[in-house]
Amino acid sequence: DIQMTQSPSSLSASVGDRVTITCQASQDISNYLNWYQQKPGKAPKLLIYDASNLETGVPSRFSGSGSGTDFTFTISSLQPEDIATYYCQQYDNLPTFGQGTRLEIK
Amino acid sequence: EVQLLESGGGLVQPGGSLRLSCAASGFTFSSYAMSWVRQAPGKGLEWVSAISGSGGSTYYADSVKGRFTISRDNSKNTLYLQMNSLRAEDTAVYYCAKDTGGITMVRGVLDLWGRGTLVTVSS
Repeated sequence: DIQMTQSPSSLSASVGDRVTITCQASQDISNYLNWYQQKPGKAPKLLIYDASNLETGVPSRFSGSGSGTDFTFTISSLQPEDIATYYCQQYDNLPTFGQGTRLEIK
Repeated sequence: EVQLLESGGGLVQPGGSLRLSCAASGFTFSSYAMSWVRQAPGKGLEWVSAISGSGGSTYYADSVKGRFTISRDNSKNTLYLQMNSLRAEDTAVYYCAKDTGGITMVRGVLDLWGRGTLVTVSS
């Protein structure tokens, strides 16, 4: 199985801050990497697919980059409604998720 | 409205069985692969199983292989997960999700999720 390592596991930031989450794959997965947002008590929501493509309807403050084994997810200006847990997920092989990053407002 | 609605969760004893259903609406169900993803209480997401749009290809996580069976009825726009030999560690919210893969392939990009159904395995 391909292991996905996300960091940090939790993060506290202020409204307006730039927030960055990283995800590392245990082997080369090309650009087969998605990012999801999960708000408390809700289902996950796809934000970014193929490492850097913004899903329709997702605000442009969200972005993704990377290829191979190292990937980055960025919120350019944190908003209060962005409080959630974020997961990366690879689909080069059978899908696996990172352990999640819990984002809180400082 | 495009949506997925899971049902069939509940309390079951270890070693027991349960069948989950996921009713799809608002899109051409047979044209898309589907997946089940679970989340244990307070834990992260774990992909469980996937099936192509035609139903001809199925995939399982090692943790459920041989115990769970994914299937679909395209005439009823419904996805199923038959869960046998259930264990305490199968306790989780089970989500069904639409895959952007098509009739013959599973892609792994999950662009629509249901609200989930809770399965509790306990004596």
